[in-house]
Amino acid sequence: EIVMTQSPGTLSVSPGERATLSCRASETISSKVAWYQQRPGQAPRPLIYNTSTRATGIPARFSGSGSGTDFTLTISSLQSEDFAVYYCHYYKTWPYTFGQGTKLEIK
Amino acid sequence: EVQLVQSGTEVKKPGESLKISCKTSGYNFDMFWIGWVRQLPGKGLEWMGIIYPEDSDTSYSPSFEGQVTISVDRSIGTAYLQWNSLRASDTAKYYCLRRPGKGSTVDYWGQGTVVVVSS
Repeated sequence: EIVMTQSPGTLSVSPGERATLSCRASETISSKVAWYQQRPGQAPRPLIYNTSTRATGIPARFSGSGSGTDFTLTISSLQSEDFAVYYCHYYKTWPYTFGQGTKLEIK
Repeated sequence: EVQLVQSGTEVKKPGESLKISCKTSGYNFDMFWIGWVRQLPGKGLEWMGIIYPEDSDTSYSPSFEGQVTISVDRSIGTAYLQWNSLRASDTAKYYCLRRPGKGSTVDYWGQGTVVVVSS
């Protein structure tokens, strides 16, 4: 089973600044990495799939990158609605796994 | 419009059985995988299992194998997650989700079903 480890656990950033969230896989994996945003009390929302492709309706300030074992979600200029929990997700081979989440909070 | 609408909050006692549902609409139910994810209170997301409605091909994550049963009713476009004997540790929010196909990730989520197991 692939273990996805996210860092940091909590990230404090001011509105308008850039946020960089990391996800490391326990072994070299394909590009089948996705990112989800979860606001309190809501279902996760797809942001990125195939490492770097934005899901439908996702603003351009969200971008994904990475390869091998290291993957990154970058939010270029934080808006108030971006403060939430973010999960990376590996979905190439079963069992699929999620990272433990990064909480993005207002500094 | 694609929709996954889950059944409502359940409050049960340890040892009781439970079946929660995920009613789909707006697409061909047979052709998309349906999965279930658990979220313990204040915690992250865990894959439980996934099923392909057309042939009921089902896979379970190791942690959930033998603990739950995933099924579908193709005639009404609905997927189910079932427990035979609940434990307090099953208290969580459960999400159903849709996956277009192997090699694709989740594109739609249900709103979640809260299950509380308490004596």
